[in-house]
Amino acid sequence: NAGVTQTPKFQVLKTGQSMTLQCAQDMNHNSMYWYRQDPGMGLRLIYYSASEGTTDKGEVPNGYNVSRLNKREFSLRLESAAPSQTSVYFCASSEVGGDNEQFFGPGTRLTVL
Amino acid sequence: GENVEQHPSTLSVQEGDSAVIKCTYSDSASNYFPWYKQELGKGPQLIIDIRSNVGEKKDQRIAVTLNKTAKHFSLHITETQPEDSAVYFCAARYTGRRALTFGSGTRLQVQP
Repeated sequence: NAGVTQTPKFQVLKTGQSMTLQCAQDMNHNSMYWYRQDPGMGLRLIYYSASEGTTDKGEVPNGYNVSRLNKREFSLRLESAAPSQTSVYFCASSEVGGDNEQFFGPGTRLTVL
Repeated sequence: GENVEQHPSTLSVQEGDSAVIKCTYSDSASNYFPWYKQELGKGPQLIIDIRSNVGEKKDQRIAVTLNKTAKHFSLHITETQPEDSAVYFCAARYTGRRALTFGSGTRLQVQP
């Protein structure tokens, strides 16, 4: 099992460009999450999907959109990238409920110039 | 607000010593408190968790204690080894929330 996979691993964008970060899990989990990690600020939740067909905003959703394509895949889209979105992005998955172990992908390091 | 405060932000210990990281939360009804370890260049990984119906949980050299009255919980690592060097995150699940709220992280450096 690959667990949680993310693509790409690295990306450099110019301000105003758009891109989609891909995430897939092979653990048959219902819940999936997108976090961003910035120095000194820990992991902040952008969006999550409690189950297929549902998505909810997290702590820092502005400037992002998500799509729960199917049970395996959860993508994060930046429509018009800004330098403030320079960060490391992590996708995670878990069984339903906030008190189950979350399994994280390896992350995508995004730089917006 | 629904935040989790974590201290210290950095911690350096000698190999073999103990390390303690502390977190506080604000919602007295929170019931789940996990700890994650993040090695360089990787995603976080769960190392231990505790639920509100117990006060302490151990797993070999790692232990977590929970004080519900004071609303804080701590990670204890004994007999530290260089491979314990990493960033550690605490988290809490607040009432009504389906996702976790994470602390800001502690960078632990174990000096050989």
